Amino acid sequence: DTEVTQTPKHLVMGMTNKKSLKCEQHMGHRAMYWYKQKAKKPPELMFVYSYEKLSINESVPSRFSPECPNSSLLNLHLHALQPEDSALYLCASSQVWTGGESPLHFGNGTRLTVT
Amino acid sequence: AQTVTQSQPEMSVQEAETVTLSCTYDTSESDYYLFWYKQPPSRQMILVIRQEAYKQQNATENRFSVNFQKAAKSFSLKISDSQLGDAAMYFCAYRQNTGNQFYFGTGTSLTVIP
Repeated sequence: DTEVTQTPKHLVMGMTNKKSLKCEQHMGHRAMYWYKQKAKKPPELMFVYSYEKLSINESVPSRFSPECPNSSLLNLHLHALQPEDSALYLCASSQVWTGGESPLHFGNGTRLTVT
Repeated sequence: AQTVTQSQPEMSVQEAETVTLSCTYDTSESDYYLFWYKQPPSRQMILVIRQEAYKQQNATENRFSVNFQKAAKSFSLKISDSQLGDAAMYFCAYRQNTGNQFYFGTGTSLTVIP
């Protein structure tokens, strides 16, 4: 079973559209992540939230806007995307580092196509 | 930033045989964590195995085991009795002992030949 749930699974949007990706976890993790992944490539970090506050922004263009409404939810708002933004978008969560091991737990991803 | 290197873009193995995927990393830290993730065509990233740098004993999970050489900064994954379901991209990942940053290798695509 997937403990991190992402919706939608697939999304096709035009370059003028506004859409949102959603992610939800109920493992009590207080760190949540957005990654972008191209085919046969490793995930590229976009954003990290720690205790619902944005802690890392990897110089992502402003057409991507993250939001963490509460400790269980993470959104990624999309606006005026480019065709090169087409990719698999992965959400993940982990325990905030406190000295113990805590791997990333990934969702199934949203396959985004920008036309 | 830490670097994680997987020097084998593609590997293949006969079903029921053993294969080893390599991973090296660069760090000045003494305490950190290493992970292997599997990503099948279904696309979900699945944790295969984890290793804490302070533990000398190599981690084992059923048919999956690691060879952790801390001095050499090497963390290889051995898959025994390979099965068709093992076919996937495998990513090595490093987590530093502070903060929430993970670093991924470039991945190895594993093919299992029936």
